[in-house]
Amino acid sequence: AQRVTQPEKLLSVFKGAPVELKCNYSYSGSPELFWYVQYSRQRLQLLLRHISRESIKGFTADLNKGETSFHLKKPFAQEEDSAMYYCALNPTWDAGNMLTFGGGTRLMVKP
Amino acid sequence: DAGVTQSPTHLIKTRGQQVTLRCSPKSGHDTVSWYQQALGQGPQFIFQYYEEEERQRGNFPDRFSGHQFPNYSSELNVNALWLGDSALYLCASSSGGASSYNEQFFGPGTRLTVL
Repeated sequence: AQRVTQPEKLLSVFKGAPVELKCNYSYSGSPELFWYVQYSRQRLQLLLRHISRESIKGFTADLNKGETSFHLKKPFAQEEDSAMYYCALNPTWDAGNMLTFGGGTRLMVKP
Repeated sequence: DAGVTQSPTHLIKTRGQQVTLRCSPKSGHDTVSWYQQALGQGPQFIFQYYEEEERQRGNFPDRFSGHQFPNYSSELNVNALWLGDSALYLCASSSGGASSYNEQFFGPGTRLTVL
């Protein structure tokens, strides 16, 4: 069975500082990895997925199969980045949305 | 388009009771997935419905059942409620069925409290 681990429950940084939210996974195959974000009083929404290789709101994430990690990074944090971030895994690209989520990391960006 | 809608917003039940939660998918979507999110945890996949059939299921007991209607809306039923079922129940919709991945759009959730 697959598992997603986000080791930090809370990450607090100052505005302008670099941010790295850690995500590690365990799965024997080649999964598809995602980052979801939930801003205050808003719904859970997709931030980015590894196969698209996009940079969304300045965030990037690289899938490291050797280390089974998918850390989310941003060089300069903004106050509006404060939110709950969830890493998620889909067993295969065609597994049909059966997402396994990590426990989430709350990012607080201080002014 | 209001996106994914769920009802009710909040619900309080007592142990042993049964509950039904409802979800209307985003316009144009035909696939509905349900997740349970306990306090302080990430969402956990319950099951997915497509073409009115349960296509995939997570590690949840048979007390959790569902239904999808011809208009793609869905219900989640939980029987014999116990304290551990207290959680936020999220509905997510997507298009393309269960055999391919398309972005899931989440609803606001239904907060269930079991006393």
